[in-house]
Amino acid sequence: AQSVAQPEDQVNVAEGNPLTVKCTYSVSGNPYLFWYVQYPNRGLQFLLKYITGDNLVKGSYGFEAEFNKSQTSFHLKKPSALVSDSALYFCAVRDYASGGSYIPTFGRGTSLIVHP
Amino acid sequence: NAGVTQTPKFRVLKTGQSMTLLCAQDMNHEYMYWYRQDPGMGLRLIHYSVGEGTTAKGEVPDGYNVSRLKKQNFLLGLESAAPSQTSVYFCASSSGTGRTDTQYFGPGTRLTVL
Repeated sequence: AQSVAQPEDQVNVAEGNPLTVKCTYSVSGNPYLFWYVQYPNRGLQFLLKYITGDNLVKGSYGFEAEFNKSQTSFHLKKPSALVSDSALYFCAVRDYASGGSYIPTFGRGTSLIVHP
Repeated sequence: NAGVTQTPKFRVLKTGQSMTLLCAQDMNHEYMYWYRQDPGMGLRLIHYSVGEGTTAKGEVPDGYNVSRLKKQNFLLGLESAAPSQTSVYFCASSSGTGRTDTQYFGPGTRLTVL
């Protein structure tokens, strides 16, 4: 079985400060990991994904995420937050293992609020 | 290239009424999905399809039916709407080339059942 947890319902950060949105996962094999962003009254948009290789993945809008296998985490980061980054962020996982589901499992989402 | 579109954008139903939500994609994707989004619950998968003519149940399929008669369309039906089905519904599609493919989401349908 695969699962993903986003331990924070909301993250508050001041504009210009670094931000981190946390995600941990559980799979039986190796994971494929994704981050999506949802702006108000919009559908989800793909940000970045980890498949294999370099543990630091760079994505859209200056976001990056760090894969840590020992901690089973895939935290989303940005060095300097913008007010326009305020949105709902979703982490998702697929299990690489044979017999694992190709249907991704999503976390409950984390609301990021960037204060001016 | 419109991506994934959903019709309608908003709808208000009375308990017991029926309706169909239409999802269309122009990316020739094999996989299509229907999700519902409720506050504090994240995204929950209702039904999905891995190709034309195929459908499968997701996490919360009760009270919903789906059909995929054409590759580009995925219909979600509510036969007898209930207030518990008040939600925002999202359709998504993906290429189906493997577990690395990303999902593309529609703008959503906001449904209220009175």
